[in-house]
Amino acid sequence: SQQGEEDPQALSIQEGENATMNCSYKTSINNLQWYRQNSGRGLVHLILIRSNEREKHSGRLRVTLDTSKKSSSLLITASRAADTASYFCATPYGATNKLIFGTGTLLAVQP
Amino acid sequence: GAGVSQSPSNKVTEKGKDVELRCDPISGHTALYWYRQSLGQGLEFLIYFQGNSAPDKSGLPSDRFSAERTGGSVSTLTIQRTQQEDSAVYLCASSLFPGQASYEQYFGPGTRLTVT
Repeated sequence: SQQGEEDPQALSIQEGENATMNCSYKTSINNLQWYRQNSGRGLVHLILIRSNEREKHSGRLRVTLDTSKKSSSLLITASRAADTASYFCATPYGATNKLIFGTGTLLAVQP
Repeated sequence: GAGVSQSPSNKVTEKGKDVELRCDPISGHTALYWYRQSLGQGLEFLIYFQGNSAPDKSGLPSDRFSAERTGGSVSTLTIQRTQQEDSAVYLCASSLFPGQASYEQYFGPGTRLTVT
C-alpha cells in the first residue's frame, strides 16, 4: 500500500495546549497537504507545503517537512475545543495527482 | 460561491441492490475525483475525471463499480449488486486544473452508504 502512516492515532489534550501530529510517506513528492475532517464527513484543506519548503505557517498552524526522512508534522498551537477533528496528511501521486492519504490522527480537545 | 455538493447524504440499501451516488463539483473545475473512506481501508482513491473522460480508474475495487461524468460537470458513481463491504463514506472532490499537484482539492460532504 502507498498509504502514509500518521501518529499518534489518537490524541487528547486540554484547551490551550499545543497538539503535534506526525506523518510519514513513501514516495517522492511535489507537495504535502494537511486536511481536517469533522464527524467523519467532508475534508477541509488546511495547508500545503511544497517539497522545497521546510516550514510553513498559517494562523495557529505550523507545518514542517523533512524530505530526507519522508516525514511531516502539523502543530496546532493554543488549541480550542473546535479543533476537535481527525487530521490527515495527503500527497498527490502520479499524473492525475490523486491524493494518497495517511491513516489520520483523531484529536480531542477537552474544554 | 457554492462548494462541492453530494447526494444523497445518507443511503441505506439492501445487499444486491444497485445504488447511484451523485456529485456536483465547483463550477469551472475540470478535475473530479472520487474517494472512499471505510473503517478497514482508510481514505482511498477510486477514480479521476479530466473533463468527461476518466483516464485513471485504477482505484475502482471491482467491475461492480462504475462512474460517469457528463457536460464536464456532474458525476455519478454507480455500484451494482451492492455488498456489505461496500459500506463506506464516498467522497467527491474537484480541482481547478487537471494534473496540477499544487492545486487544492475541494471535497464535498460525502455520501454515507450502508448496505444491510
